[in-house]
Amino acid sequence: QSVLTQPPSVSAAPGQKVTISCSGSSSNIGNNYVSWYQQLPGTAPKLLIYDNNKRPSGIPDRFSGSKSGTSATLGITGLQTGDEADYYCGTWDSSLSAGDVVFGGGTKLTVL
Amino acid sequence: QLQLQESGPGLVKPSETLSLTCTVSGGSISSSSYYWGWIRQPPGKGLEWIGSIYYSGSTYYNPSLKSRVTISVDTSKNQFSLKLSSVTAADTAVYYCARRRGPDVDYWGQGTLVTVSS
Repeated sequence: QSVLTQPPSVSAAPGQKVTISCSGSSSNIGNNYVSWYQQLPGTAPKLLIYDNNKRPSGIPDRFSGSKSGTSATLGITGLQTGDEADYYCGTWDSSLSAGDVVFGGGTKLTVL
Repeated sequence: QLQLQESGPGLVKPSETLSLTCTVSGGSISSSSYYWGWIRQPPGKGLEWIGSIYYSGSTYYNPSLKSRVTISVDTSKNQFSLKLSSVTAADTAVYYCARRRGPDVDYWGQGTLVTVSS
């Protein structure tokens, strides 16, 4: 069971917008920056969003991130079939039971 | 461009110790801004952070694995390593090495599948 909670799956049609939620607590999301990762089938995860809402070089502005309290959200607009992937949120957790980086369980995005 | 490459046996017997090494190229492991870590992903499942190390040797471990994990660093070779003892089938996973920048993981290795089986 993951420390951060994500929906197992989301789906939307090409061109549409989708959001993926990530819920945590005060020991993780509530007091730390959130990152988002995209994992295409058969590949390593790739950093998509860092510091809640910043995009690394090369990541299109169709991808956005936000945080409020102990929850974070990834948004993807103008969906493309190439966006079909697993998406993970991650952050630092300062509780003794976590000790380091924690991830959500992942959300599988299907572009219908 | 920074690159990380995992190496080690792809098959480990139950109760033995899993050992992997990550070689960092295109940058120094002794940079003061980063930690270096290991993450695993069982087949069909999500990501699990194993632990991380600073170039000075300071470590953080996932409490659920702490009793079996050792992460070490060799700055002279620009490498860091993972040892996981007393493995079982539940430790079968793709193991990634990565660079941690604060809470972000900004560079990942390609991953290596380690299967625990007799």
